[in-house]
Amino acid sequence: KAGVTQTPRYLIKTRGQQVTLSCSPISGHRSVSWYQQTPGQGLQFLFEYFSETQRNKGNFPGRFSGRQFSNSRSEMNVSTLELGDSALYLCASSFEQALPGTEAFFGQGTRLTVV
Amino acid sequence: EDQVTQSPEALRLQEGESSSLNCSYTVSGLRGLFWYRQDPGKGPEFLFTLYSAGEEKEKERLKATLTKKESFLHITAPKPEDSATYLCAVLPYGNNRLAFGKGNQVVVIP
Repeated sequence: KAGVTQTPRYLIKTRGQQVTLSCSPISGHRSVSWYQQTPGQGLQFLFEYFSETQRNKGNFPGRFSGRQFSNSRSEMNVSTLELGDSALYLCASSFEQALPGTEAFFGQGTRLTVV
Repeated sequence: EDQVTQSPEALRLQEGESSSLNCSYTVSGLRGLFWYRQDPGKGPEFLFTLYSAGEEKEKERLKATLTKKESFLHITAPKPEDSATYLCAVLPYGNNRLAFGKGNQVVVIP
């Protein structure tokens, strides 16, 4: 069974640019969540999508956005990149996170470096 | 606000030297507590889910336990391959956002 796939694995962007990251969840999983991981803050929740709808949103500025497609694949977009956006962006998928026994499984992440 | 605090931040162990990692949490209502293992440059790898106080789960040299305020991850007779950062997260009732601690970085020396 294939795991969660994130592309690309590495990205280098310039301040002010925008970037789109992609996440393909485990087959059959309908919930996709995004997290930002930095050495200082640890893992912080960005947003969660379920059946193409955003169900939860973390405390990040509007420059961070996402969407989910009918096949459950998800993308997140960061506009007007800042140096502080440099981080490992992780995607997690689960069948239905609200149900016991439906744990979230993570992808390998996309390492974004803003210069 | 949901809070998760892990201690110690970093731990160096001799191979075979058992130890425990602590995860204390404050949450309005706990739906589940999760332990993950993360190796450098990789995504977190799921280890355990605990749902209620008194519950225990084991996998190889790892054993996770849960009380009403904290969870412990016991590492018995660790090997160098157990070196990793161990992350604790809580899933509260009312939303679907995992709240993570900052992790316990474990190094096992041969």
